[in-house]
Amino acid sequence: DGGITQSPKYLFRKEGQNVTLSCEQNLNHDAMYWYRQDPGQGLRLIYYSQIVNDFQKGDIAEGYSVSREKKESFPLTVTSAQKNPTAFYLCASSIGTTDQPQHFGDGTRLSIL
Amino acid sequence: GENVEQHPSTLSVQEGDSAVIKCTYSDSASNYFPWYKQELGKGPQLIIDIRSNVGEKKDQRIAVTLNKTAKHFSLHITETQPEDSAVYFCAASPPGTDKLIFGTGTRLQVFP
Repeated sequence: DGGITQSPKYLFRKEGQNVTLSCEQNLNHDAMYWYRQDPGQGLRLIYYSQIVNDFQKGDIAEGYSVSREKKESFPLTVTSAQKNPTAFYLCASSIGTTDQPQHFGDGTRLSIL
Repeated sequence: GENVEQHPSTLSVQEGDSAVIKCTYSDSASNYFPWYKQELGKGPQLIIDIRSNVGEKKDQRIAVTLNKTAKHFSLHITETQPEDSAVYFCAASPPGTDKLIFGTGTRLQVFP
């Protein structure tokens, strides 16, 4: 079955610690995206990548970093500079052209200890 | 940039009734409008989408309408069932991009 896999499902971070969220897709999609979801709010774009070895900042990139070394993988690191990291993080992928849907994983919930 | 507003934030209906969720967008050149359904603890799933060259699209009990002049689009669910209970998000794609701008979501509850 083709799809997007996010891991882990739950993650806890201590103060001052960096954590990395995994996102893998086997849909052969060129574009991948990271969103943050907070209660009562829509999805806000953190970073996106349209091709391997290239990525762009979204609307709320501060305190986050990404890499895109392989087409299938787009890990997100939440750094200690992100002061309010508690949220639900969603990864998505798409063919990468206009007018095409994005397909989502089932998310990672990050909490602060 | 593009901005999407979604109403209502919560919607409760009796099983079998219809439900309508409305979204407005700001960029008149936006040309792609998907709708997603998100169940608790899961990622959003695409349920229907519409492009700017079409005014209406139906898929069984779900339909989406687009009014380009007024810059709004709506999701219609007929004969609602308890399994339709979820959070629904609309989105718009600014022209020339593959990005999506999301509304703030509508929590739909269908009571048996």
